[in-house]
Amino acid sequence: SYDLTQPLSVSVALGQTARITCGGNSIGSKNVHWYQQKAGQAPVLVIYRDNNRPSGIPERFSGSNSGNTATLTISGAQAGDEADYYCQVRDATTVLFLFGGGTKLTVL
Amino acid sequence: QLQLQESGPGLVKPSETLSLTCTVSGGSISSSTFYWGWIRQPPGKGLEWIGNVYHSGSAYYTPSLKSRGSISVDTSKNQFSLKLTSVTAADTAVYYCARRQPTGEMDYWGQGTLVTVSS
Repeated sequence: SYDLTQPLSVSVALGQTARITCGGNSIGSKNVHWYQQKAGQAPVLVIYRDNNRPSGIPERFSGSNSGNTATLTISGAQAGDEADYYCQVRDATTVLFLFGGGTKLTVL
Repeated sequence: QLQLQESGPGLVKPSETLSLTCTVSGGSISSSTFYWGWIRQPPGKGLEWIGNVYHSGSAYYTPSLKSRGSISVDTSKNQFSLKLTSVTAADTAVYYCARRQPTGEMDYWGQGTLVTVSS
C-alpha cells in the first residue's frame, strides 16, 4: 500500500517561514492536496494540486511537489495558523484516497 | 455557497449499524462533475477516507472497512448516506461528509458529527 509520511510536529517563530513535508514514493507524480484543521473544526482545503490556493486562502500559503517530497510552506506564520495540517493524494493504482498522519504546527 | 450537513444518531451499540446522512444545500448533488464522500477521524487521531459516491450511485470504499460500508445517494433529496455495519468501539469517530473534485481534492466539508459506539 502507498504511505504518506509527515513529521508529527513543526514549530516556527511568529513571522517566520514554516515548512511541512509529506513524503511518499514518487509523490512528485501525484496531485497533492493540503488541509488545515484547527481544534474542534472541520478540515479546510488550503492547497490543491500541489501549488494552487482556493479562493480566500492567504497568499502566505504555498506548495511544491517533486521527487519523493511535497512541501507546504507558510510564509510569515501567524498565531492563527496554529493547526494540524494533512497532506492527501489519490493512489491511482488502487483508486484510494490517502491522508498523511498529520503535522501539528506550533507558532512560538 | 455550498453547504454540507451531517445528521444521524450520536450513539450506536456494538454490532449494530451506523447510519449517517449528508444533506447538500447551495448546489446539486446531481452535478456530473463532483463526487461525494465520507471521511472519519477517531478522537485524537488523523483523517481516514471511507469512500466516495457519484450521482449515478457508483461507489467505492477503503478496503480497511472489509465490506462493512456502503454509500448511497438520493438525488431527489440532495442527500447521500453512509451505512457501516457490525460496528465496534474502533468505529467511534467524528464523521465528515465532503465534496470531492475529479482531481481528488475535497473542497467543501460538513462540520462533522461525533458517533460513539458503546453499549
